[in-house]
Amino acid sequence: GAGVSQSPRYKVAKRGQDVALRCDPISGHVSLFWYQQALGQGPEFLTYFQNEAQLDKSGLPSDRFFAERPEGSVSTLKIQRTQQEDSAVYLCASSSFGVPRETQYFGPGTRLLVL
Amino acid sequence: AQRVTQPEKLLSVFKGAPVELKCNYSYSGSPELFWYVQYSRQRLQLLLRHISRESIKGFTADLNKGETSFHLKKPFAQEEDSAMYYCALLLTYSGGYQKVTFGTGTKLQVIP
Repeated sequence: GAGVSQSPRYKVAKRGQDVALRCDPISGHVSLFWYQQALGQGPEFLTYFQNEAQLDKSGLPSDRFFAERPEGSVSTLKIQRTQQEDSAVYLCASSSFGVPRETQYFGPGTRLLVL
Repeated sequence: AQRVTQPEKLLSVFKGAPVELKCNYSYSGSPELFWYVQYSRQRLQLLLRHISRESIKGFTADLNKGETSFHLKKPFAQEEDSAMYYCALLLTYSGGYQKVTFGTGTKLQVIP
């Protein structure tokens, strides 16, 4: 069946440009997570949705980062005025139940390069 | 602070040799731990979780609360085991809210 998909797969942005990254979770999955993975590091938690509710955004590094999931399915991570330190792979994951302990299914990631 | 430590960035072993990928954690609560794996050109996926006490692809991991460790082991490495392995800790906050924190990962390279 269809897994988690993310688009675009690669994004090159000039410093100061705004970007939007999309995540399509597995159909029916309640929970959705965004992670940031810098080169040589493990995934770092950014934010978590349960249906359309953003229950935790404590990992968002600054107010330039904004995430939404308005209808409880597709989610968008927006980064305003991108900086070079935003360069990373952005991973999206979904799980079927409303708690993070359930198996998270990851997307392929969006590789963002800010020049 | 809650932490997951994977001390080895790279572990190289010969095919057929035993494998042990180390993971130590720091957490004041009751830990739930996972191992995730990422094969070349594939997405990150769950390998196993300690509460299931399962063996997946010949890998096992035992939670040792005294040593705060959750090392991943396999008695005989196979070439197809070559991948990035991430240890992850589930954090539970007051009110029941949870989230997962990952280690920095260990690249396992199995030499033919």
